[in-house]
Amino acid sequence: SQKIEQNSEALNIQEGKTATLTCNYTNYSPAYLQWYRQDPGRGPVFLLLIRENEKEKRKERLKVTFDTTLKQSLFHITASQPADSATYLCALDQNNNDMRFGAGTRLTVKP
Amino acid sequence: SQTIHQWPATLVQPVGSPLSLECTVEGTSNPNLYWYRQAAGRGLQLLFYSVGIGQISSEVPQNLSASRPQDRQFILSSKKLLLSDSGFYLCAWRRGWAGEQYFGPGTRLTVT
Repeated sequence: SQKIEQNSEALNIQEGKTATLTCNYTNYSPAYLQWYRQDPGRGPVFLLLIRENEKEKRKERLKVTFDTTLKQSLFHITASQPADSATYLCALDQNNNDMRFGAGTRLTVKP
Repeated sequence: SQTIHQWPATLVQPVGSPLSLECTVEGTSNPNLYWYRQAAGRGLQLLFYSVGIGQISSEVPQNLSASRPQDRQFILSSKKLLLSDSGFYLCAWRRGWAGEQYFGPGTRLTVT
């Protein structure tokens, strides 16, 4: 069966450290993998998109890697801040209007 | 710039009552439109998507339906709500078949 697993339901880290979130999937062949941020009671906000032929993508303090052999994406936030506290969702985009989301990882950055 | 609106923001409805949630997009034309539902602590479940006026694709069999009467308007409906319909309903749009999606503020539905 198809699965998307974000392997930490919750992650607590200290301010200034790097947060690393994981997204693993099975029985999908995504053309793209996307990461979104969701604050409580709000809609998700797009952060980064990485294509299947890309290994790494960066945007400011954010970095995403995509390994189609391992079927895994890692999402890093460097120099984390309390304002980075939110739930982060990965999404597999199969380029056919069938985008599937993981359940998310709730990140808490403590001052 | 593009904006997406959803209303109402919150809704409490009794079991068996009808439902109508509306989503509109401004600042773009011919968007692909999506309805998702998010249960507490869960991921987003795709319910419907539309690539054009009157064109609706359903992902999950249920007692919900969707319509797209205008290019930038997407409506989610039910004739009779069930308790299991409670959740956070999100509308989203994007250009084309791939790429980032832009979400609305959501509607929190509680069926009592």
